[in-house]
Amino acid sequence: EAGVAQSPRYKIIEKRQSVAFWCNPISGHATLYWYQQILGQGPKLLIQFQNNGVVDDSQLPKDRFSAERLKGVDSTLKIQPAKLEDSAVYLCASSLVGTANSNYGYTFGSGTRLTVV
Amino acid sequence: QKEVEQDPGPLSVPEGAIVSLNCTYSNSAFQYFMWYRQYSRKGPELLMYTYSSGNKEDGRFTAQVDKSSKYISLFIRDSQPSDSATYLCAMSYSNAGNMLTFGGGTRLMVKP
Repeated sequence: EAGVAQSPRYKIIEKRQSVAFWCNPISGHATLYWYQQILGQGPKLLIQFQNNGVVDDSQLPKDRFSAERLKGVDSTLKIQPAKLEDSAVYLCASSLVGTANSNYGYTFGSGTRLTVV
Repeated sequence: QKEVEQDPGPLSVPEGAIVSLNCTYSNSAFQYFMWYRQYSRKGPELLMYTYSSGNKEDGRFTAQVDKSSKYISLFIRDSQPSDSATYLCAMSYSNAGNMLTFGGGTRLMVKP
């Protein structure tokens, strides 16, 4: 079974520039999540999709972050404009509906490491 | 105060030692408790899952949940250098979708 694919692996941009990250979840996983992991901290949920609908985006800084999941498969997370404090690893995860709180858990991608200078 | 607290370490132990990793939490509504392992430059992977209080064992790993004390633990027996990683505790509510609240992670180093 292929894992969660994310690209790019690394990105360096200047503050106020824009950046986009892409995620392809495991086939058949209806639920997709974007987490932000700042160095030395645990991941923090930004947004959760079920199919192509948003379930929870309460912690997404909507003035600069946006995300979409067209056709309920791939997802894109965008930051515009970026700030220095956005430097972090952006993790995408997916799960079968209703199994994140179970022995199946999430499957995480390896993340995109963003550095804003 | 963070909802989930975890000592960041690093914790350095010799190979073969028993490792104890812990988290405390403040919200009594958490019902599901998980431990994830994260290797450098990789995403977290699920190690152990426990629902409510009690113990669960899987090979060299044992997870314990004490809801009365709001305290969870992960024990690793016969630790190996390959266990060197960051260990993240995570938890969620029963009726709030699948959002996980993570601790900050404990970095473990097992020396040969």
